[in-house]
Amino acid sequence: SAVISQKPSRDICQRGTSLTIQCQVDSQVTMMFWYRQQPGQSLTLIATANQGSEATYESGFVIDKFPISRPNLTFSTLTVSNMSPEDSSIYLCSGAGGGTEAFFGQGTRLTVV
Amino acid sequence: TQLLEQSPQFLSIQEGENLTVYCNSSSVFSSLQWYRQEPGEGPVLLVTVVTGGEVKKLKRLTFQFGDARKDSSLHITAAQPGDTGLYLCAGAFSGGSNYKLTFGKGTLLTVNP
Repeated sequence: SAVISQKPSRDICQRGTSLTIQCQVDSQVTMMFWYRQQPGQSLTLIATANQGSEATYESGFVIDKFPISRPNLTFSTLTVSNMSPEDSSIYLCSGAGGGTEAFFGQGTRLTVV
Repeated sequence: TQLLEQSPQFLSIQEGENLTVYCNSSSVFSSLQWYRQEPGEGPVLLVTVVTGGEVKKLKRLTFQFGDARKDSSLHITAAQPGDTGLYLCAGAFSGGSNYKLTFGKGTLLTVNP
């Protein structure tokens, strides 16, 4: 399966600032997704990153707060904007090729202080 | 909203014991996957099941898919400390997007030496 490099792996940010997380896949993938996860808990889908068009957001997530880019089939970014302590979480990107099997980056552990 | 119920949420056992994790839904899956996640890493795919009644084995791990494709189980025989981690089931529901996965709440397994 493909390999996703995600960075940064962790960051501590001041409230009110923004952080951009990057994911680079070593091969072209059909779909890319962004998730949020509290440690030891399940994954919540934030949005589907669409290549060359606006991302598709899940209920409870909006573009102004989580702008996403996907300029090509191997790269995507997620920005967490105007951060508050409630945004502290693990953020994961994933990719999927022709089927439903997903592969994940190693995650970004974000702490907002 | 299609839900995936996963149980138990927490499991702490001694090395050598057997365990089973369950994943259930009222909806039919087109496919279901099991992932394992270690701290600081993204989930890693263990297996995909697509056919009702299917059984797959991965060393000491046995995965079953229900006949009606609404439930699945993961059984670990003679658990070892290296099996410690977060186990997640994830399903793609029939009639939905083939790429979009719904995750269970996860089972945090601790195997004590």
